[in-house]
Amino acid sequence: ETGVTQSPTHLIKTRGQQVTLRCSSQSGHNTVSWYQQALGQGPQFIFQYYREEENGRGNFPPRFSGLQFPNYSSELNVNALELDDSALYLCASSSGTSFQETQYFGPGTRLLVL
Amino acid sequence: RKEVEQDPGPFNVPEGATVAFNCTYSNSASQSFFWYRQDCRKEPKLLMSVYSSGNEDGRFTAQLNRASQYISLLIRDSKLSDSATYLCVSFSSNDYKLSFGAGTTVTVRA
Repeated sequence: ETGVTQSPTHLIKTRGQQVTLRCSSQSGHNTVSWYQQALGQGPQFIFQYYREEENGRGNFPPRFSGLQFPNYSSELNVNALELDDSALYLCASSSGTSFQETQYFGPGTRLLVL
Repeated sequence: RKEVEQDPGPFNVPEGATVAFNCTYSNSASQSFFWYRQDCRKEPKLLMSVYSSGNEDGRFTAQLNRASQYISLLIRDSKLSDSATYLCVSFSSNDYKLSFGAGTTVTVRA
């Protein structure tokens, strides 16, 4: 086990709703990255948080937002859900921002938007 | 065009065989490359980082060809436990772009 936990494990929402996903990083890690993985695809980088600030962002619209807390845990918020947001959402924690450090992934949250 | 392209496979190989597959990347500014493995319905786990021209870790060898912009992964003496999807990843610090391929599925049969 990586020590990275995510909640909830599964979630069903309807179009237009909002969702908050949570991630607890591994002890000693100050960086959390979030990914969206659609069925049959590789993970797509959403954004990265380092010391409570967004440190980098992929090609996702502003309705995808996040937070990082002083204990380095993190939240991913998605507003105005669309059907295409149905995916596995993964967070990964690491000890640095360069991606040279090993990223440890959590088990993910499976989101279904109806 | 996708940033990282992989042959989806599947590669079906017998135990003990050698299997190799490539991934190509389009961002010439990419400096770091990684191979992750992902088991069915599980999270990705780092298999190896690929620096310079390549490196070896036990039965796994990764090679980087910057001129042709591809990375390869070779698995020797395949084990049943090697059955997984292998994800190729590139990272460019210039534009802070991290890109995963869609994965190559390998199935090792007894």
